[in-house]
Amino acid sequence: DGGITQSPKYLFRKEGQNVTLSCEQNLNHDAMYWYRQDPGQGLRLIYYSQIVNDFQKGDIAEGYSVSREKKESFPLTVTSAQKNPTAFYLCASQSTSSSSYEQYFGPGTRLTVT
Amino acid sequence: GQNIDQPTEMTATEGAIVQINCTYQTSGFNGLFWYQQHAGEAPTFLSYNVLDGLEEKGRFSSFLSRSKGYSYLLLKELQMKDSASYLCAVRDRRGSYIPTFGRGTSLIVHP
Repeated sequence: DGGITQSPKYLFRKEGQNVTLSCEQNLNHDAMYWYRQDPGQGLRLIYYSQIVNDFQKGDIAEGYSVSREKKESFPLTVTSAQKNPTAFYLCASQSTSSSSYEQYFGPGTRLTVT
Repeated sequence: GQNIDQPTEMTATEGAIVQINCTYQTSGFNGLFWYQQHAGEAPTFLSYNVLDGLEEKGRFSSFLSRSKGYSYLLLKELQMKDSASYLCAVRDRRGSYIPTFGRGTSLIVHP
């Protein structure tokens, strides 16, 4: 079964700790994205990568870091510099050769920092 | 960046028809998406419009007018399971063709 997975579904951390959220896809998609969703808000873009070993900042990249060493994987690290890290984090992938440009989303990770 | 506007919340009755509007202001428009998102879950793709007109997919239809910066999602024969948030997202040249999402419209379907 092809798809995109995120783990864990729920994550709890103490303030001041870095935490890494996993995102894996076996859809053979070139592009991958990280979004953050807060209550009553739409999805806001954190980082994206359109090819291995390259990534770009999105609208709210401060306090986050990513890597793209493999096509299948795009982990997101929430650092202690992120002022309001508690949120629902969604990873997505997209085929750059598709004419529909549809994004496929993972199930999300709900991060709570106290 | 883009300015995307959708109503925050709508309610409708089971079996009825509801229209969810989305207006946008962009530079170099290159397509508009509609996604459905149930609470606590991932968004799922509903439609993609790049040309003017209406596209129908079963109970759901999506309309686009590029000259007016306007789209709507039409849901017919509403079911309780259609209660969800509906996200409008726009691709444009200035945003490097990465979809920018509106805040979403929370639809509540009641019996």
